[in-house]
Amino acid sequence: ETGVTQSPTHLIKTRGQQVTLRCSSQSGHNTVSWYQQALGQGPQFIFQYYREEENGRGNFPPRFSGLQFPNYSSELNVNALELDDSALYLCASSLRGSTDTQYFGPGTRLTVL
Amino acid sequence: QKEVEQDPGPLSVPEGAIVSLNCTYSNSAFQYFMWYRQYSRKGPELLMYTYSSGNKEDGRFTAQVDKSSKYISLFIRDSQPSDSATYLCATGGDAGNMLTFGGGTRLMVKP
Repeated sequence: ETGVTQSPTHLIKTRGQQVTLRCSSQSGHNTVSWYQQALGQGPQFIFQYYREEENGRGNFPPRFSGLQFPNYSSELNVNALELDDSALYLCASSLRGSTDTQYFGPGTRLTVL
Repeated sequence: QKEVEQDPGPLSVPEGAIVSLNCTYSNSAFQYFMWYRQYSRKGPELLMYTYSSGNKEDGRFTAQVDKSSKYISLFIRDSQPSDSATYLCATGGDAGNMLTFGGGTRLMVKP
């Protein structure tokens, strides 16, 4: 059984640029959630994808968007990057309809200069 | 007021000590309770997962949930230096949906 993987591990962008982060869910899972974790804080829910559609969103602006593909992998896109977007971006996968919880990937560390 | 409150620490204990980590939450709709361990610059790793009030034990770890007082705890027995990490409590109304996290407690176990 393969766990959740994310790419890239880390990247550096400048303010105003756009970024795409990628996630492959754990085998057998069909739901992907994205979280933002600022330094020294707990993860904050961005949104969740199930059946290739957004299924719940936290308090994040529309410049945060996502996709889910038929193989359940997912992308997080952030447009017009701001300095405060610097954080660890975490992907978590789960199986909808089960009572099991979410399992996290290693994260992508984004630095915005 | 945050939905899930957690003392940020740091909490420093000697090796072998019993560690108690705690969270309080405000939303009575929360039914699922998790503890994740996060090492520096890594993703959270699921430690314990419980539903409803009561205790759950797994090796050196015991999770305790008191829904009447909206209080959740994690106990670590015989703590080891390798337990040094940030511990995150998380709750949700549905196991696979949005999780609400506390801010994390940093634990340091000294040899």
